[in-house]
Amino acid sequence: KNQVEQSPQSLIILEGKNCTLQCNYTVSPFSNLRWYKQDTGRGPVSLTIMTFSENTKSNGRYTATLDADTKQSSLHITASQLSDSASYICVVSLMGGYNKLIFGAGTRLAVHP
Amino acid sequence: DTEVTQTPKHLVMGMTNKKSLKCEQHMGHRAMYWYKQKAKKPPELMFVYSYEKLSINESVPSRFSPECPNSSLLNLHLHALQPEDSALYLCASSPGTSGTSEQFFGPGTRLTVL
Repeated sequence: KNQVEQSPQSLIILEGKNCTLQCNYTVSPFSNLRWYKQDTGRGPVSLTIMTFSENTKSNGRYTATLDADTKQSSLHITASQLSDSASYICVVSLMGGYNKLIFGAGTRLAVHP
Repeated sequence: DTEVTQTPKHLVMGMTNKKSLKCEQHMGHRAMYWYKQKAKKPPELMFVYSYEKLSINESVPSRFSPECPNSSLLNLHLHALQPEDSALYLCASSPGTSGTSEQFFGPGTRLTVL
């Protein structure tokens, strides 16, 4: 069964601190892995997208890693800001078909002053 | 224009009402999607349109009726909904339907069924 699991489920950090979110997946056939940021009541916004041959991709203070051998990914947020408070969703896309996305349940991040 | 827009932002309707959700994109994308998202849950795919034709219906009840009038517009017609249909409805679009084609999401319509 295709699954994406994320940890932790929720996280509270202080403004300015770093944090790392984890994603494990069992998806086949794998096409790419994406991290989305979703503010409450809003649509997901893409942060990074990586194919199996990419190990790291950065987008400003966000850095995603991918280990295709162990089927693990992480999202590292540097120098967190209050505006980083949101849900972060790991999404794996299947090869072929109709661009089917397998969503993780998300990590809810709260950044406190 | 690099965004997907959705209207209305909020909708409250009774179980006997008929309403429609609208989605628009002007990025030249040829695939468009409807998702349903309950609170604290990931989005669930409902429909996929490819080149203005319905290609995927994820066993969605007939009280939800999608329509793609042209390559830029996607509607979701609602009729005789149930309170459990209350959710955030997300529209997305992508250049194509391959697994490498990134989906861009709209801000969503918050639907409440009374």
